[in-house]
Amino acid sequence: EIVLTQSPGTLSLSPGERATVSCRASESVSSSFVAWYQYKPGQAPRLLISGASSRATGIPDRFSSSGSGTDHTFTISRVEPEDFAVYYCQQYGSSPPTFGQGTQVEIK
Amino acid sequence: QVQLVQSGAEVKKPGSSVRVSCKASGNTFSSHGIAWVRQAPGLRPEWMGGIIPSFSTTEYAQRFQGRVTITADKSTSTAYMQLTSLKSEDTAVYYCASTPGGWELFDYWGLGTLVTVSS
Repeated sequence: EIVLTQSPGTLSLSPGERATVSCRASESVSSSFVAWYQYKPGQAPRLLISGASSRATGIPDRFSSSGSGTDHTFTISRVEPEDFAVYYCQQYGSSPPTFGQGTQVEIK
Repeated sequence: QVQLVQSGAEVKKPGSSVRVSCKASGNTFSSHGIAWVRQAPGLRPEWMGGIIPSFSTTEYAQRFQGRVTITADKSTSTAYMQLTSLKSEDTAVYYCASTPGGWELFDYWGLGTLVTVSS
C-alpha cells in the first residue's frame, strides 16, 4: 500500500499567515487522486479538496493544493481563526486508500 | 447535503463483537456508497471497507478481511459495520462516510463512534 508522510507535524502560526503542508507518497500518485481533510474535535471531519485540486462545496478559496508524482502540497493562503485544526492528506488512486499522519495547525 | 448519524459509544470485552450503525439522510443510498474509516488514538485514519447500497457490493481492506462485515438496509437508509474478535488495538473512533463514487473518496462524514475494547 502507498504510505503518505506529512510534514511538518505541527505548524504554529498567527492568523493571517500562510500555511503550507507537504504530503510525500511512497509511490507516484496523480494529483487527481489526492484529497485533503480537516479534523476538528467534536466535529465531523470535512473534505476540503479532491481530484486535481477541486475544492469541495462551500470551501473558501484560501484553501488550495498542488503537486504531482510523489510530492503534494496543501496551502492555506491566509489562516483564519476557524482554520486551526488537524489536516490530513489521503490518496485514492491505489487501493487501499491511505492517509497521512496529520499536521496540526495551531495558534502561535 | 448528506447527513450521517451514527450510533453511540460502545465498551466491549476482548473477543467480543461490535456493530456500529450509520443512518443517512434523504436519498443518499441512491447516489452514494458508504465507507468506514477508523482512527485509533495517536494513529492516522485507516480505511476499513465500504458498500455501494444500490448494487449491494462491498469491498474490505485486506487487514480486516474475515473480521469486518459491512451491510446496508436500503429501507431505512442505514449502514452497519460489524467487527468481530475484538482486541485492545481495535479501540478507536469509527467513522462512516459517504462516497460519491466507489468507496475511496469520502465527501461527508458522521461524527464518529468511540469503541473501547477493555477487559
